[in-house]
Amino acid sequence: GDSVTQTEGQVTVSESKSLIINCTYSATSIGYPNLFWYVRYPGEGLQLLLKVITAGQKGSSRGFEATYNKEATSFHLQKASVQESDSAVYYCALSEWAGGYKVVFGSGTRLLVSP
Amino acid sequence: GPKVLQIPSHQIIDMGQMVTLNCDPVSNHLYFYWYKQILGQQMEFLVNFYNGKVMEKSKLFKDQFSVERPDGSYFTLKIQPTALEDSAVYFCASSLEQNTGQLYFGEGSKLTVL
Repeated sequence: GDSVTQTEGQVTVSESKSLIINCTYSATSIGYPNLFWYVRYPGEGLQLLLKVITAGQKGSSRGFEATYNKEATSFHLQKASVQESDSAVYYCALSEWAGGYKVVFGSGTRLLVSP
Repeated sequence: GPKVLQIPSHQIIDMGQMVTLNCDPVSNHLYFYWYKQILGQQMEFLVNFYNGKVMEKSKLFKDQFSVERPDGSYFTLKIQPTALEDSAVYFCASSLEQNTGQLYFGEGSKLTVL
């Protein structure tokens, strides 16, 4: 079945430094899936950060970027300069038709930005 | 932005009892979902629901689980009877369209089965 693999556990980055959280996926549909990054800030519900539905395209939001790389089946999340307010748990996810659209999530990566 | 509300936020019950988790989805959304996340593990799909019917369910959606949304009220997940392995955080989500996969999530209902 479909699966998403992302950087495990916790990542600690100093404020103003760059960030990359790796994500690779495996999708079983004939076409290709929609790809997402979701984020859960402390005390809040999971919310969409960015999405890309076309291979080769880049999505961006709040300074974060991710490029849909169909050849590498990757969708890494990057930010050039992180802030303390970016501390959260980030989930890579995909959706595709499987008798109904289902969203499959990675295990989540906790980002801790230190001052 | 649009909000999905879940009630209760935390419930503790004895094994074998019944529990109902309630979800108030975004008002104009048509597709509803439940996900389960055991502490320290991945968030996993349980079921999706549209037009009064279960569209798809995973292996985690045991016979003891049921979902419904009577008359456009809460979208509910009922577990009867509960088992120890049902202890988890259950997340409800809703979406307007099916073909984008963009979901709006609640903050979760933490279920502890003793």
